[in-house]
Amino acid sequence: DAKTTQPNSMESNEEEPVHLPCNHSTISGTDYIHWYRQLPSQGPEYVIHGLTSNVNNRMASLAIAEDRKSSTLILHRATLRDAAVYYCILRDVAGGTSYGKLTFGQGTILTVHP
Amino acid sequence: NAGVTQTPKFRVLKTGQSMTLLCAQDMNHEYMYWYRQDPGMGLRLIHYSVGEGTTAKGEVPDGYNVSRLKKQNFLLGLESAAPSQTSVYFCASTLPGRADSPLHFGNGTRLTVT
Repeated sequence: DAKTTQPNSMESNEEEPVHLPCNHSTISGTDYIHWYRQLPSQGPEYVIHGLTSNVNNRMASLAIAEDRKSSTLILHRATLRDAAVYYCILRDVAGGTSYGKLTFGQGTILTVHP
Repeated sequence: NAGVTQTPKFRVLKTGQSMTLLCAQDMNHEYMYWYRQDPGMGLRLIHYSVGEGTTAKGEVPDGYNVSRLKKQNFLLGLESAAPSQTSVYFCASTLPGRADSPLHFGNGTRLTVT
């Protein structure tokens, strides 16, 4: 599986935008970029995914570099509830022998200050 | 819909005891997974299943067994618990063959082996 690199931690103030970076220089053409987050004492939850184009949903936006070697998860207005560990994960389009498995790194711990 | 439900939520075992963790999903998902998470680390895959009656080893399968007798249930067994198996266990499920289909996680079982 291609590897991703994320900062260990980031901090933000409430109501401000947050940009969480992810590097994936060895990404293949068939890899989707997925983001999950894990709130304290909960299981991971899906945030957003993309392949080549930027994506928006009710939770966040995903900006993907033109060469796809990096991406940024954008939380437009951070709230205290957004404090979590954010994981950037690559997932093969075809599924193939990966059978949908996700390989988690250590993620980025986001702290939101009131 | 309940999504993915894990039972029990908490358990304390003594070394050498056995137990079974139950994961149930009501989304008709083919693929199911068991992960473990140790403090300060990302999730690691123990075993997974791509359909009823099938199971396969993940990254850290030693000391665990699994069964998928019904599509909606995935059981994780510890035959002889060891302190190294103290962890939080997460179950997840997803649709097959689609890398854009997110994984749905339960809220975990917190296991302590003394």
